[in-house]
Amino acid sequence: EPEVTQTPSHQVTQMGQEVILRCVPISNHLYFYWYRQILGQKVEFLVSFYNNEISEKSEIFDDQFSVERPDGSNFTLKIRSTKLEDSAMYFCASGGGYEQYFGPGTRLTVT
Amino acid sequence: QKEVEQDPGPLSVPEGAIVSLNCTYSNSAFQYFMWYRQYSRKGPELLMYTYSSGNKEDGRFTAQVDKSSKYISLFIRDSQPSDSATYLCAPSALNAGNMLTFGGGTRLMVKP
Repeated sequence: EPEVTQTPSHQVTQMGQEVILRCVPISNHLYFYWYRQILGQKVEFLVSFYNNEISEKSEIFDDQFSVERPDGSNFTLKIRSTKLEDSAMYFCASGGGYEQYFGPGTRLTVT
Repeated sequence: QKEVEQDPGPLSVPEGAIVSLNCTYSNSAFQYFMWYRQYSRKGPELLMYTYSSGNKEDGRFTAQVDKSSKYISLFIRDSQPSDSATYLCAPSALNAGNMLTFGGGTRLMVKP
């Protein structure tokens, strides 16, 4: 069964550093998403991406964040200058319609 | 008022019981309603989704939406220990980038 994959599973970085989180969505999906979940809190929407552009973004998704689909298979989330409060699980999701299938997540730890 | 609310639990039931998980929401624009299951430190796993009001059944799971009262339910029949997880409801409005708004989840424990 096709699934969304994410790398790395765990990323440790120092405050102020740039990080890139990578995702390979399910191959025939057209809609791509990033969410995050701070430990013990709700899953929160960051951004949706369709037809090579952002279709919606939340207040969390400020100028420090960017997304890219550099080729036909990868979808990336970049955080330019990480803060302590960026520490969370980051989930990529993809879908062919309204349903969304999530990857296993990348645990980002900012020290 | 929070947009999507769930009783955090934990809800503890014996194996074989019928489980009822509930969710309320405040945004009238929500049209699609998803249920996800999340095991500890894993990604949410899509269980079911429904559009607008009504019921939908899939195996041991039944999702029910009552838009008039802004109330969503997920029923699990013949619950198994492997169903022990956190259950998340996540509605979505049309024309909002398919953004899902998650509830905080209900933790379910099914005891053998």
